[in-house]
Amino acid sequence: KAGVTQTPRYLIKTRGQQVTLSCSPISGHRSVSWYQQTPGQGLQFLFEYFSETQRNKGNFPGRFSGRQFSNSRSEMNVSTLELGDSALYLCASSLDTANYGYTFGSGTRLTVV
Amino acid sequence: AQSVTQPDIHITVSEGASLELRCNYSYGATPYLFWYVQSPGQGLQLLLKYFSGDTLVQGIKGFEAEFKRSQSSFNLRKPSVHWSDAAEYFCAVGAPGGANNLFFGTGTRLTVIP
Repeated sequence: KAGVTQTPRYLIKTRGQQVTLSCSPISGHRSVSWYQQTPGQGLQFLFEYFSETQRNKGNFPGRFSGRQFSNSRSEMNVSTLELGDSALYLCASSLDTANYGYTFGSGTRLTVV
Repeated sequence: AQSVTQPDIHITVSEGASLELRCNYSYGATPYLFWYVQSPGQGLQLLLKYFSGDTLVQGIKGFEAEFKRSQSSFNLRKPSVHWSDAAEYFCAVGAPGGANNLFFGTGTRLTVIP
């Protein structure tokens, strides 16, 4: 079966712009979680969506937001980009929430210049 | 608060040698425990997980991990390392019955020399 698909794979944006990243989960998976990975802070949880509702949110500013559609596909948006937002953004899907049965995508590499 | 410590930033082993990657966690009770591997430019792949029961957990690619409650540790082991095992390894904890989010350690980069 197809894995978790994240688009685009690479992205370069200018400081102050906004960006939208997309994640298509494995078919049948209803939970989508997002993580940010940076050399300095490591892997940090951003948020989880389940059945189109944000179920949990990490400690990130309001510039980071997301949503989930009825087909479980998810998008995350970062507004007013800062240099420190440069990171690998990973999406993970699972059948259900609270079971940690994650399958991760390959990530979107965002560079802010 | 939950936290995960991987004390070794970088480990180098010879191909065929045994491997042990250390992981210590801080949590009020017994958390769910995980080991993931990440190859360059790729996402994370689950090697194994511990929820409860037998404290020695078998995973994919010949890896195993042992949960030691008294030491708050969940060390990853492999008896004979292959060159393809070179990657970054992450230990993570999650709250049982809690939200679907993991706390990750900072990772251990494994280099395998022929």
